[in-house]
Amino acid sequence: DAGVTQSPTHLIKTRGQQVTLRCSPISGHKSVSWYQQVLGQGPQFIFQYYEKEERGRGNFPDRFSARQFPNYSSELNVNALLLGDSALYLCASSSYGGSSNEQFFGPGTRLTVL
Amino acid sequence: GQQLNQSPQSMFIQEGEDVSMNCTSSSIFNTWLWYKQDPGEGPVLLIALYKAGELTSNGRLTAQFGITRKDSFLNISASIPSDVGIYFCAGNSGNTPLVFGKGTRLSVIA
Repeated sequence: DAGVTQSPTHLIKTRGQQVTLRCSPISGHKSVSWYQQVLGQGPQFIFQYYEKEERGRGNFPDRFSARQFPNYSSELNVNALLLGDSALYLCASSSYGGSSNEQFFGPGTRLTVL
Repeated sequence: GQQLNQSPQSMFIQEGEDVSMNCTSSSIFNTWLWYKQDPGEGPVLLIALYKAGELTSNGRLTAQFGITRKDSFLNISASIPSDVGIYFCAGNSGNTPLVFGKGTRLSVIA
């Protein structure tokens, strides 16, 4: 079975531009979470979506938005990019509910803002 | 954002040695997870813990959920070169978002 997939793998943008990152969860998983990981740090939570509804939001500005589609895939959008948005953006899927808090990560999208 | 206190930050060990790392939180957690991340990759789940005092093994890896529910430990026995990477602890309570440590960078000298 395929794991979590993300696209693109790498992206270079300039300040002020907008970016859309995509994620497909593990088959059967209904929850997708997005994380930002800057160099030397652990992942920081941005959003969680379950059944197309936002279930949680981290301490990120409104320039960050996301959505989940009926097939449970998800997009993360970042507007008005800043240099500080350069990071590895990780998507994680989980089955949600019950005793499963286990999240399974994709390979990430490396965003560089120049 | 909130992060867990993970130590040590880095370790250089000889192949065959045992490794210990730990993670502490100011909050009580219901779940502790341990991940390993290789360069250019996403974190890979190693062990999940759900009960205070729980001790769980995955091959040469053993992790424990602290009795206070505010800490967790990961041990790697008889390290090998492929153990190199960054190990992250993560925890949460109920349906709150996962909070991660800053990672322990492990280097193994053959």
